[in-house]
Amino acid sequence: KQEVTQIPAALSVPEGENLVLNCSFTDSAIYNLQWFRQDPGKGLTSLLLIQSSQREQTSGRLNASLDKSSGRSTLYIAASQPGDSATYLCAVRPDTGRRALTFGSGTRLQVQP
Amino acid sequence: DTGVSQDPRHKITKRGQNVTFRCDPISEHNRLYWYRQTLGQGPEFLTYFQNEAQLEKSRLLSDRFSAERPKGSFSTLEIQRTEQGDSAMYLCASSLVAGGASGNTIYFGEGSWLTVV
Repeated sequence: KQEVTQIPAALSVPEGENLVLNCSFTDSAIYNLQWFRQDPGKGLTSLLLIQSSQREQTSGRLNASLDKSSGRSTLYIAASQPGDSATYLCAVRPDTGRRALTFGSGTRLQVQP
Repeated sequence: DTGVSQDPRHKITKRGQNVTFRCDPISEHNRLYWYRQTLGQGPEFLTYFQNEAQLEKSRLLSDRFSAERPKGSFSTLEIQRTEQGDSAMYLCASSLVAGGASGNTIYFGEGSWLTVV
């Protein structure tokens, strides 16, 4: 059974810092990995999707990397801003034809102004 | 394109009552998903439709839960004889797969909060 772990569970940083969020998964047979952002009481917003054949994806100040063989992904946020404060979730889709995503519990980020 | 729409956004019900949630996916998205999320946890998969066919169901989807997508557009999730453990946010998501492409990004709605008292 796939398990996804996100470390740290919570993180508080001053504005302007670069930071890294970690995601690990136990079964490397994945089709893709997706990073989401969730604001309190809201739905999820997709940030980046990395196919299993890719090593990284970039969007603006965000960069996500994937090391499938070691079961790890990182989300790098450059020059953090208070508006980045949210919970960040990673999710993996299995390489079995099934569509169900397995999510981690998220990292709750607070960027202090 | 108005995004994934869910209704109602909040529902408080007494234990034992039935509740129904509706999801309107992004127009022309052929895949629709239901997830459940409790506080402090990531979403858990419940079920998935491609067009009107329900192709996957989680074991979390007990016989009190039923989901439909009758015409391949909107979907409903019904919970019968609600229990306090059903209290959660129910999230709907949709995606588009065209031709053979299946990299697809999944788009989530704002969720429907259920509180069973």
